[in-house]
Amino acid sequence: KQEVTQIPAALSVPEGENLVLNCSFTDSAIYNLQWFRQDPGKGLTSLLLIQSSQREQTSGRLNASLDKSSGRSTLYIAASQPGDSATYLCAVYNTDKLIFGTGTRLQVFP
Amino acid sequence: GAVVSQHPSWVICKSGTSVKIECRSLDFQATTMFWYRQFPKQSLMLMATSNEGSKATYEQGVEKDKFLINHASLTLSTLTVTSAHPEDSSFYICSARSAPFTDTQYFGPGTRLTVL
Repeated sequence: KQEVTQIPAALSVPEGENLVLNCSFTDSAIYNLQWFRQDPGKGLTSLLLIQSSQREQTSGRLNASLDKSSGRSTLYIAASQPGDSATYLCAVYNTDKLIFGTGTRLQVFP
Repeated sequence: GAVVSQHPSWVICKSGTSVKIECRSLDFQATTMFWYRQFPKQSLMLMATSNEGSKATYEQGVEKDKFLINHASLTLSTLTVTSAHPEDSSFYICSARSAPFTDTQYFGPGTRLTVL
């Protein structure tokens, strides 16, 4: 059974810091991996989708990497801003299901 | 493109009543839709997968007679919570995809259900 874990569970940092959020999964036979952002009481915003044949994806200040063999992905956030405060979820595509991680709650203070 | 809507965005109901939540793909045809629930400060848990025109597949531990899912068209799936109880209070999120399992899912904004 696929299990997805995210570390740390919570993170509080001052504005401007570069951050690394970690995601690990137990079954490396995944198709894709996706990072989402969720604001309190809201739905999901897709940030980056990494296909299984790719090793990383970039969008603005965000960079996500994927190492299938080790069952890991990282989301790098450069020059963090208060507006980045949210919960970040990684999710892996296992056959036709999307398995979500436990989430990292990020707070960036001015 | 690829917009998914949910209605209502929030609902409050009395214990014992039934509540229907709609999930619509607005600009694409969704061959498969998924329903998730999320408890406070927890991650999303898949409840069921529905393919247009066929019965939904429920995840282990999800009561199919309590959570009725209908996917009658390529743009609409509904989740009905029957005889709702306070423990059913949660955030329900749907997603939709238009292609086989290697394609991405597009998520709705979620529905907050509170059962009194």
